[in-house]
Formats: sequence, structure tokens, C-alpha cells
Amino acid sequence: KAGVTQTPRYLIKTRGQQVTLSCSPISGHRSVSWYQQTPGQGLQFLFEYFSETQRNKGNFPGRFSGRQFSNSRSEMNVSTLELGDSALYLCASSPRVSSNYNEQFFGPGTRLTVL
Amino acid sequence: GENVEQHPSTLSVQEGDSAVIKCTYSDSASNYFPWYKQELGKGPQLIIDIRSNVGEKKDQRIAVTLNKTAKHFSLHITETQPEDSAVYFCAAIHGSGNTGKLIFGQGTTLQVKP
Repeated sequence: KAGVTQTPRYLIKTRGQQVTLSCSPISGHRSVSWYQQTPGQGLQFLFEYFSETQRNKGNFPGRFSGRQFSNSRSEMNVSTLELGDSALYLCASSPRVSSNYNEQFFGPGTRLTVL
Repeated sequence: GENVEQHPSTLSVQEGDSAVIKCTYSDSASNYFPWYKQELGKGPQLIIDIRSNVGEKKDQRIAVTLNKTAKHFSLHITETQPEDSAVYFCAAIHGSGNTGKLIFGQGTTLQVKP
């Protein structure tokens, strides 16, 4: 099976712009979670989508949003970019058949740089 | 609040030695604890996980132990090799696992010297 794919891999934006990142989960997986990774804060949960519904949200401002499509592909959007949004954005795919199936498999990430 | 503490932050061992990384968690409802290895320029790779109904799990040179009473879990790597050099993260599932939220430790940079 192909792994989790994320596009683009690298992105450079300026403050005030908005950005959309894309994630394609492993075939058959219905859950997609997004994480932000920075040297200072480590790996922090942004949100999870399951069957096109947001199931949980982390402690990030409303500028961070996401959605999931019927084919389980997910996008996250960050509006009004700030310098502090520079990070590696990781997407994780999970089968989530039940609450017992929590294995999450990460993609390579999108490296976002805000200038 | 929910928190995972990981120690040490850096670990240097000689090839062939063992390495141990320890984590503590705060959410007593957590029932799933994965470990990830992250190499430079790559996403985290799931290397082993353990559920709260199990005390220990092994996979070749890697083992994980869990003490639910003390809210501790540890990663043990035996016969370390240079290719084990990476950043290792422990994590705990938020609550009992109804959401996909993992709480991560701050990471341990493991260096295996040939």
C-alpha cells in the first residue's frame, strides 16, 4: 500500500497570506489528523477528521481550519499567516475502525516558511 | 492538563550498547502509547506501540514497557546500531481513544557511535 502523501513538500509564503496544504491518507483509512511540529513546541495536535467531520480540535486559533472530502483526502488552511506559523505540518492517517484502532501513520510533512 | 514528559532529551551510546528512553503521562484515561522514530527530513515513523492491557511488548531489538499505576512507559533498544540514530518520540492517546489526538513528548535525540 502507498503511504501517506502530502503536497506540497515545501512552501514559502509572506505574512498575511493564506495557505492550503493537502494530505492523502493510506487507502482505506478514514481518519486524518494534523499536527504542527516546531523546535520550540514539539509536535502539537491541530485537529482530526473522520468521515468528513471534525472530531477534535487542538488549542490553535481559528486561523487554522481544515476539511475532509468523501474520499478521505484532507486539506488544512491557515489564513493571515504569521511568522510563528513557520513549521513542519504533518498529516497522520489512521484506520479508526473503532476506538481500539489508534495507530497513526505519518506523511513526510509540508515545510512551511513564513517570511 | 494533559502532558507527556520524556527523558533524556539527548542520549549517546556506543554501538552494541542498549538505550532506554522514559516517559510519564498525566491523563489516567490514556490507553494507547505509541513510539515514533523521526529521521532528518522525514515524518515520524511508528516503531512500536502498547495498549494499557499489556505490560510489555517486544519486536526484535525494540521493547516497550508500561506501568499504568505509575503512569510510566519506556522504550528499550538493545544491540544499538548506527542506523538507530534519530529522534524518538513517545506519545499517549488523549482520553480513552475516541479521538485521534496524540499527546507527544518533547523527543530524545539518540546518537549511536560506531
